[in-house]
Amino acid sequence: ETGVTQTPRHLVMGMTNKKSLKCEQHLGHNAMYWYKQSAKKPLELMFVYNFKEQTENNSVPSRFSPECPNSSHLFLHLHTLQPEDSALYLCASRAGLAVYNEQFFGPGTRLTVL
Amino acid sequence: AQSVTQPDIHITVSEGASLELRCNYSYGATPYLFWYVQSPGQGLQLLLKYFSGDTLVQGIKGFEAEFKRSQSSFNLRKPSVHWSDAAEYFCAVVKDFGNEKLTFGTGTRLTIIP
Repeated sequence: ETGVTQTPRHLVMGMTNKKSLKCEQHLGHNAMYWYKQSAKKPLELMFVYNFKEQTENNSVPSRFSPECPNSSHLFLHLHTLQPEDSALYLCASRAGLAVYNEQFFGPGTRLTVL
Repeated sequence: AQSVTQPDIHITVSEGASLELRCNYSYGATPYLFWYVQSPGQGLQLLLKYFSGDTLVQGIKGFEAEFKRSQSSFNLRKPSVHWSDAAEYFCAVVKDFGNEKLTFGTGTRLTIIP
């Protein structure tokens, strides 16, 4: 248990569905991250939030829409996804953006797009 | 741009044997280096990190890693593996304090046989 929880753990959706992934951290951190983990590819950073403000969008398609209502919660809203978006989506949090702060990862949401 | 190479996709080791997982980076200066472990169904957990100083760093779970500037390597080692070490291992780098984003390698899957 890292203090970062993600729901749901598994999600199957059609290309026309709209769904949301939720991440919650109980560590009092200020920075939160979304990563995409695909088979045989390195982890890809998607979004970074610091004190609820987005500081990084790593050229992510607009069918992925993040939301950070407060420093403890992070959402990823999904719509009109493609089969190639099937992956494990990992959330992470960090006390601050500085490199010496450890990132703590949640267990991920396994997403399958049919 | 900096990159991280983990040349071994899959390694199989007998329980009790020693382990070395390879990681090479491409960057002119000294990056900040990390090793993470991902057990099945879990997020990533930090094993150890190197920022500066002693080039041999100790981590959790009995792991250590050695930074070798001349070889641009940061290999992970453990003298005697346990069945519970079966997991996927990721090397990661951060370029410098001005860019705290983690760049991950593709990972090495470790299988332990009795």
